[in-house]
Amino acid sequence: GDSVTQTEGQVTVSESKSLIINCTYSATSIGYPNLFWYVRYPGEGLQLLLKVITAGQKGSSRGFEATYNKEATSFHLQKASVQESDSAVYYCALFSSGGNYKPTFGKGTSLVVHP
Amino acid sequence: DPKIIQKPKYLVAVTGSEKILICEQYLGHNAMYWYRQSAKKPLEFMFSYSYQKLMDNQTASSRFQPQSSKKNHLDLQITALKPDDSATYFCASSQNPQGANSDYTFGSGTRLLVI
Repeated sequence: GDSVTQTEGQVTVSESKSLIINCTYSATSIGYPNLFWYVRYPGEGLQLLLKVITAGQKGSSRGFEATYNKEATSFHLQKASVQESDSAVYYCALFSSGGNYKPTFGKGTSLVVHP
Repeated sequence: DPKIIQKPKYLVAVTGSEKILICEQYLGHNAMYWYRQSAKKPLEFMFSYSYQKLMDNQTASSRFQPQSSKKNHLDLQITALKPDDSATYFCASSQNPQGANSDYTFGSGTRLLVI
């Protein structure tokens, strides 16, 4: 089946520093999957952060960006300068092609930004 | 106002007991889902319902039974609770039951601890 592997556990970054959370995927369906990043702030549900449905394209939102790299099967999340309010859990996910409504998620990466 | 309401937020249960997790969505979506996240594991798909009918069940145990009394309700009944059932249970919904949906919306979760 499909799988998503992302940076495990907790990532701690000082405010205004850069961030990268790694995500690689494996999709078994024919065709390229759609790739997503979700974010879960404390006490809230998962929210869509950004998505990219075309290989080679970049998605961006709230200063975060991720590029769909089909050769490397990666979708790393990056931000040039993090803020304390970015502290949350980030989930990489894929929807395989062919009308599958069930996304496959990674385990989540907890980001802690220190002032 | 939250678009998906899950109740309760936290739940402690005794091994062998039965609990019902509540989920209501106010987005007018036609499909609803349950996911589970156990410690150090990815978010795991459990069930999907479309127009109040079960579409997919990826939960091996019959101890987990979804219940849909209304189109915007999908509760989860868990019987004969075990410590391994301890997890955060997320309800989600989407407009369409098929396809890669960027309007997949999650609730804030019910954190269940079975002792």
